[in-house]
Amino acid sequence: DIQMTQSPASLSASLGETVSIECLASEDIYNNLAWYQQKPGKSPQLLIYYASSLQDGVPSRFSGSGSGTQYSLKINSLESEDAATYFCLQDSEYPWTFGGGTKLELK
Amino acid sequence: EVKLVESGGGLVQPGRSLKLSCAASGFSFNDYWMGWVRQAPGKGLEWIGEINQDSSTINYTPSLKDKFTISRDNAQNTLYLQMSKLGSEDTAIYYCARADIYTRDYWGQGVMVTVSS
Repeated sequence: DIQMTQSPASLSASLGETVSIECLASEDIYNNLAWYQQKPGKSPQLLIYYASSLQDGVPSRFSGSGSGTQYSLKINSLESEDAATYFCLQDSEYPWTFGGGTKLELK
Repeated sequence: EVKLVESGGGLVQPGRSLKLSCAASGFSFNDYWMGWVRQAPGKGLEWIGEINQDSSTINYTPSLKDKFTISRDNAQNTLYLQMSKLGSEDTAIYYCARADIYTRDYWGQGVMVTVSS
């Protein structure tokens, strides 16, 4: 199975700041990586697919980048509603696997 | 509007079986792969498996293949997850998810399954 190592596990940032979250795959996943946001008690919401494509309706302050085994999610100009857990998903090779998640707290 | 609504969860005794359902609406159900993902309390996400449009292909995560069975009824726009020989490790929120060409784009709100005596 492809292992997805996500970092950091938690993050504290202030409103207006920019943060980045990383996912490292154990092998090349050819940009088959998605990023999701999950708020407590809610289902995951797709933010980014195919490493860098923004899902319809997602604010442009979210962006994804990367290739090969290394991928990142960047959130510009943090807003209070961005407090959530973020996780990556590789769907390059079965079984699909998730990163461990990053809990973003707003100061 | 795409809607996925899971049902059938609850408290179940160890060793028993349980069948979850996911009712889909707002899109052409028989055009999409569909799948299940679970999340144990306080833990990360685990992909269970996916089924293609006509049920001819079903992929599972290997560790769950012998106890979970995914099926669908396109006439009823419903996805199913049959779970057998349940143990405490299967206590989790179970989500159904739609798979589009790129990734899993819509998820249901989830249903809780608690395995306990």
